[in-house]
Amino acid sequence: DAGVTQSPTHLIKTRGQQVTLRCSPKSGHDTVSWYQQALGQGPQFIFQYYEEEERQRGNFPDRFSGHQFPNYSSELNVNALLLGDSALYLCASSFGQGNQPQHFGDGTRLSIL
Amino acid sequence: GENVEQHPSTLSVQEGDSAVIKCTYSDSASNYFPWYKQELGKRPQLIIDIRSNVGEKKDQRIAVTLNKTAKHFSLHITETQPEDSAVYFCAAYDSSYKLIFGSGTRLLVRP
Repeated sequence: DAGVTQSPTHLIKTRGQQVTLRCSPKSGHDTVSWYQQALGQGPQFIFQYYEEEERQRGNFPDRFSGHQFPNYSSELNVNALLLGDSALYLCASSFGQGNQPQHFGDGTRLSIL
Repeated sequence: GENVEQHPSTLSVQEGDSAVIKCTYSDSASNYFPWYKQELGKRPQLIIDIRSNVGEKKDQRIAVTLNKTAKHFSLHITETQPEDSAVYFCAAYDSSYKLIFGSGTRLLVRP
């Protein structure tokens, strides 16, 4: 039973560039949520995808966008990267919308130079 | 929106002692409260959760209690072991199903 998988594990970019992160949900899950975790802090909710649509969004600018594919996998895109975007980006999957347990992937460590 | 506060930020206990981490939430509509354990460089791992229709849930050495009236919930770890050392996060779903995390508690279990 495959868990949540994310790629790549590490990424180094420079300011102004664009980045795409990928996530495959746990088998049987159809909902994907993305979080940003700065060093020493709790995960901050970015957005959630269900049935290929963005359903909920946290306090993140439009530079952060996403997509969900028919196989439930998801991408997170960040444009015009800033130094402050350096963080661990976590993907979590769950079954259905609503108050369901979320299971996390190992994350992508994004460093902006 | 939901606000989740977590205390203490750091907690050091002797092996075998108990550890308690407390969280408060603001959204009275919240009804699901998970706890995650995150070891250094690893993913947050769901260790226990509780729904608002119960006041307490136990799983071996860990338990969670919920007081809906006071809007606070707590994680209790008994007979702590060095491998319990990690950062623990509480969380709560807000009324629009966004999962909001606390700021974390760094637990150190001294051998």
